[in-house]
Amino acid sequence: AQSVSQHNHHVILSEAASLELGCNYSYGGTVNLFWYVQYPGQHLQLLLKYFSGDPLVKGIKGFEAEFIKSKFSFNLRKPSVQWSDTAEYFCAVIPNAGNNRKLIWGLGTSLAVNP
Amino acid sequence: EAGVAQSPRYKIIEKRQSVAFWCNPISGHATLYWYQQILGQGPKLLIQFQNNGVVDDSQLPKDRFSAERLKGVDSTLKIQPAKLEDSAVYLCASSFGSNYEQYFGPGTRLTVT
Repeated sequence: AQSVSQHNHHVILSEAASLELGCNYSYGGTVNLFWYVQYPGQHLQLLLKYFSGDPLVKGIKGFEAEFIKSKFSFNLRKPSVQWSDTAEYFCAVIPNAGNNRKLIWGLGTSLAVNP
Repeated sequence: EAGVAQSPRYKIIEKRQSVAFWCNPISGHATLYWYQQILGQGPKLLIQFQNNGVVDDSQLPKDRFSAERLKGVDSTLKIQPAKLEDSAVYLCASSFGSNYEQYFGPGTRLTVT
């Protein structure tokens, strides 16, 4: 079955530390990849996406992610986190095959940034 | 551009009662989704509409949950009767098509007592 795994369920960092959240998916074909973020008390919003082209994608608020096809990975990075990055981060994948292209979600990573 | 609208934002009901949630997607978005999100978990797709037709309702508990999108625009999700385990946030999302990014509404937090 197709699945998305996020390596860390809870991450705690201090401000200015670097961040990398792991995401791997299990699907052999082409995919569209997403990272969503949910700030405390707010709704889910798109952080960045990859459909094709340059595998290094830039998102909002200084986030970026790199698609490595050979590793089936789409890790999220930020060189220097801020307290306001405290949130829940979800990786999601749409396999590019079939008529019903359902978004497959990871379980999420809770990030807490200490000031 | 207006976002996805949902109402109510919060609802508290007793078990065995019924409840309905409403969603208005972003204008022009053909695909509409209802998700259930339990605290600490990722969203679970309940039902996906393409215009006014159901594309996927494989995880919808059809004995108690129903949803409709009669005119291909706004949608309602109903639970009847509610159980304690239905306590969750119900999210509505819309997208231009099933292969595109989804835009989420603020959600309805349901508490069943």
